[in-house]
Amino acid sequence: NAGVTQTPKFRVLKTGQSMTLLCAQDMNHEYMYWYRQDPGMGLRLIHYSVGEGTTAKGEVPDGYNVSRLKKQNFLLGLESAAPSQTSVYFCASSPLFLAGKDEQFFGPGTRLTVL
Amino acid sequence: AQKITQTQPGMFVQEKEAVTLDCTYDTSDPSYGLFWYKQPSSGEMIFLIYQGSYDQQNATEGRYSLNFQKARKSANLVISASQLGDSAMYFCAMREGNQAGTALIFGKGTTLSVSS
Repeated sequence: NAGVTQTPKFRVLKTGQSMTLLCAQDMNHEYMYWYRQDPGMGLRLIHYSVGEGTTAKGEVPDGYNVSRLKKQNFLLGLESAAPSQTSVYFCASSPLFLAGKDEQFFGPGTRLTVL
Repeated sequence: AQKITQTQPGMFVQEKEAVTLDCTYDTSDPSYGLFWYKQPSSGEMIFLIYQGSYDQQNATEGRYSLNFQKARKSANLVISASQLGDSAMYFCAMREGNQAGTALIFGKGTTLSVSS
């Protein structure tokens, strides 16, 4: 049981390049999220998904696209990377039903630098 | 207005002492959940403790306890008997409403340094 995994762990891009971050979870969780973490800003929600085939915008969605073609995977895409997207990206997942603490399970993060 | 406020950018404590990390929140929803996460220098987010808005008692998990004062809208994390391994960034977060799948709103974090 790997929990939530993220690929890649590190990446350096040049301005204008594109890339896709992959998040995978093996807990059969219904909900998945992408956050970004910047110094002094805490974590902010980019996009989220409430089920396979559905996505929705979070607090800071501009410049990103997402897809949830399979329940276990949530992809975050940058079509034309900008230096402002230099950040640490976290994926998280949570189960369908509230069960007390309703914990979100986080992946290890992806450190992205855009030059 | 910020939904989650952590006013202490950094805190310092000696081993074996207790420390309180402050968190205040702002919501008009009567149903919500409050979380604390730890982020060590390695970067992963580690869940510590949860408090539901209707929970009558303060949550406890080992050396962690949550001092929940609903009327003051505060949810402070208390770490008893600090250890060197407690040195990390700590985030307070909130889930508004009672629907599963609602994303968390995070504070900006507090860096805790534990010295021997």
